[in-house]
Amino acid sequence: QVQLVESGGGLVKPGGSLRLSCAASGFTFSDYYMAWIRQAPGKGLEWISYITSTGSTIYYADSVKGRFTISRDNAKNSLYLQMNSLRAEDTAVYYCARERNNWNDVGDWGQGTLVTVSS
Amino acid sequence: DIQMTQSPSSVSASVGDRVTINCRASQEISTWLAWYQQKPGKAPKLLIYTASSLQSGVPSRFSGSGTGTDFTLTISSLQPEDFATYYCQQANSFPFTFGPGTKVDIK
Repeated sequence: QVQLVESGGGLVKPGGSLRLSCAASGFTFSDYYMAWIRQAPGKGLEWISYITSTGSTIYYADSVKGRFTISRDNAKNSLYLQMNSLRAEDTAVYYCARERNNWNDVGDWGQGTLVTVSS
Repeated sequence: DIQMTQSPSSVSASVGDRVTINCRASQEISTWLAWYQQKPGKAPKLLIYTASSLQSGVPSRFSGSGTGTDFTLTISSLQPEDFATYYCQQANSFPFTFGPGTKVDIK
């Protein structure tokens, strides 16, 4: 079955960097668009970035544009999110997500990894 | 960006009740609308896609309707496992925005 396992979360100081990884299994990773979606504590969901199957097209929400970079390695079945210049408002659970048939909704989610930005 | 609103923000209901949740988009999105269920401490789960298509494995008591800017999620007979927060999400154009959520709790 589809498995998405995030790693790399933790506590980081404002202005710091963190790299999240998502290991995918149970499907042909290179066929699917993938995304990062986050949820601040007690808040709603925010779709922050997505990448097409080949990596040829990438989008970022304005809230992270210029600071976060999404990437993928289809040979390693892995998705990444490089997060720089982190702010307190980036504190959230970050979910790795597989789009359903590449139609811009999410059929499968990882368990999430918590990123806390605090001094 | 397309803004999504939901009403009500919370609803108290009993097992067996019919529950309706509304979602409105700030501009026309055809039927590019999904519904998710989220329980505390868990990732969301896709219930409905393209406004009215039931995701595989989701009970038939869940249904969706609507087109354009106004959409509805209906739970025909609420079950104990349905107490959760429900989010709509527009899949028409990036950023793919979510509604603020509707919490369904026990009356």
